[in-house]
Amino acid sequence: QKEVEQNSGPLSVPEGAIASLNCTYSDRGSQSFFWYRQYSGKSPELIMSIYSNGDKEDGRFTAQLNKASQYVSLLIRDSQPSDSATYLCAVTRLYSSASKIIFGSGTRLSIRP
Amino acid sequence: DAGVIQSPRHEVTEMGQEVTLRCKPISGHDYLFWYRQTMMRGLELLIYFNNNVPIDDSGMPEDRFSAKMPNASFSTLKIQPSEPRDSAVYFCASRRRGTGELFFGEGSRLTVL
Repeated sequence: QKEVEQNSGPLSVPEGAIASLNCTYSDRGSQSFFWYRQYSGKSPELIMSIYSNGDKEDGRFTAQLNKASQYVSLLIRDSQPSDSATYLCAVTRLYSSASKIIFGSGTRLSIRP
Repeated sequence: DAGVIQSPRHEVTEMGQEVTLRCKPISGHDYLFWYRQTMMRGLELLIYFNNNVPIDDSGMPEDRFSAKMPNASFSTLKIQPSEPRDSAVYFCASRRRGTGELFFGEGSRLTVL
């Protein structure tokens, strides 16, 4: 079992709709969760972080965390063509000597006009 | 503040040659990570440092790979001898102190012929 799992996609969503990206993780001790966006040929950039169960909203983005189910998701509202990218989920035990940050393989999102 | 700086951006070399990749993290960040990204394997963690000390190198694929961080502002990843299967994009990332937020360099694209 991979430590962090994501559906590779591609996920195709019409412009203006909600895109829903999902991620599961295996380490129950994980404390911090992140979503990165990576455009083709570019490096990953952080778009959201979440540390507590529930929802966290930032503009058009909402991160959702359920530690009991070991599940984290990212919702993108009013999807734009510029949102077309690969989205990477990352997980870590922040306050631990084992502070490695593990990434999922990413979900490729395509927003169709 | 300048971001994470990596060099070279592109490297083409022949099998058997030594390759050295360099990274300057963001000043004040306390962790430095080296990742390798390929289409097949995604973003793999190779090694990470905390305050210049290597914490976990279990992701380093073979003894041909080595990494150092002689001071807080510089790290190297060396491959000797290089093989075609080492061809990938190598990312360096530094972590903002007290958070799990990573900031990536632009990557070094390595091609081993």
